[in-house]
Amino acid sequence: SQTIHQWPATLVQPVGSPLSLECTVEGTSNPNLYWYRQAAGRGLQLLFYSVGIGQISSEVPQNLSASRPQDRQFILSSKKLLLSDSGFYLCASAALTEAFFGQGTRLTVV
Amino acid sequence: DQQVKQNSPSLSVQEGRISILNCDYTNSMFDYFLWYKKYPAEGPTFLISISSIKDKNEDGRFTVFLNKSAKHLSLHIVPSQPGDSAVYFCAARKTGSARQLTFGSGTQLTVLP
Repeated sequence: SQTIHQWPATLVQPVGSPLSLECTVEGTSNPNLYWYRQAAGRGLQLLFYSVGIGQISSEVPQNLSASRPQDRQFILSSKKLLLSDSGFYLCASAALTEAFFGQGTRLTVV
Repeated sequence: DQQVKQNSPSLSVQEGRISILNCDYTNSMFDYFLWYKKYPAEGPTFLISISSIKDKNEDGRFTVFLNKSAKHLSLHIVPSQPGDSAVYFCAARKTGSARQLTFGSGTQLTVLP
């Protein structure tokens, strides 16, 4: 099975500051990768997905961007954080029949 | 537009009894359905799945039922245990190469001892 490494586990950032969350995958090659966000009391919303290096699809308009510089690396970024960017961010990788998730990053924008 | 809906935000069940979690979907292009369990501050963990060509899949205490005509699936946990207390997410996947999952909003299950 795959292992998803995601860091940091928690992050407190001021409004207007930049963001970089990193995710790496072990145990597979050429995975489909995803960034999800869970806002307080809500379900998991798909933000971005990538089917290969340099290929990024955005599901919702937002203040964030994603990049995939290497096969098993997926990065979520922002140039200037908003209060509404607070939430629990999850990186995931898809196998044939299921998706594997990282442990998540709790982002609080203050 | 929510394509996957979990209309019950919470459910409480006595230990040893059956827990039934429900999920409805609107997109007939979904061909694969999954249930995930999530504890606070952790990533979701996969529980059980079902293909659209089946109507039932069983794995130990967990059984998932799919009613395609009603666009409805349910997860049965029998017997329920206190350790089952968590948020349960229903997810659906469309045919296609990206294999992205669309999630419901989750149901908080509390199993009372």
